[in-house]
Amino acid sequence: EVQLVESGGGLVQPGGSLRLSCAASGFTFSSYEMNWVRQAPGKGLEWVSYISSSGSTIYYADSVKGRFTISRDNAKNSLYLQMNSLRAEDTAVYYCASSADYYGSVLFDYWGQGTLVTVSS
Amino acid sequence: SSELTQDPAVSVALGQTVRITCQGDSLRSYYASWYQQKPGQAPVLVIYGKNNRPSGIPDRFSGSSSGNTASLTITGAQAEDEADYYCNSRDSSGNHGVFGGGTKLTVL
Repeated sequence: EVQLVESGGGLVQPGGSLRLSCAASGFTFSSYEMNWVRQAPGKGLEWVSYISSSGSTIYYADSVKGRFTISRDNAKNSLYLQMNSLRAEDTAVYYCASSADYYGSVLFDYWGQGTLVTVSS
Repeated sequence: SSELTQDPAVSVALGQTVRITCQGDSLRSYYASWYQQKPGQAPVLVIYGKNNRPSGIPDRFSGSSSGNTASLTITGAQAEDEADYYCNSRDSSGNHGVFGGGTKLTVL
């Protein structure tokens, strides 16, 4: 059974940092592209960042570029998101999700249950 | 603002058919994928590609596309289908995905 389990969320002050982790099991993690997707309270889904299976290709949403860093450790079946210079608008549930390419289109096939990040003084 | 536009809310009578739409220029080049999200839960992929359902998704869910509009159709809506539905496709750069604003489906 595919499992993605996020951790590391919590309450942080504006300007602070937090590191999220996502532990993967039940599939060959090193073969999968991975993403972070967030959802602010009562709002819709927002794609945050992507990393290729090898880690060689990375993309960020404009809203987090220069502040967030995605990484992965295939030996540990883990995905990470280092979040710096956090702002109130970064408050959200953060999901890790695997993605795949389907005839050039993207789909997010497996999702974790999410971890809540609250940025507040 | 999202590059994919969805109606904020749609309602359907129990057992009837409902169509949820998603509009965006990128849909002329890329397929949409569709996600169901119930309160307090993670999103679940329900449709991808031309009209493909992952294992475990009921066949009352189907997808279609025409021009810049993708559609998710639920034929014979059930009470358990009440949820938020999000479309997703690649953005204009083609490098990553963008989500629509979501549609809240109410089953009456």
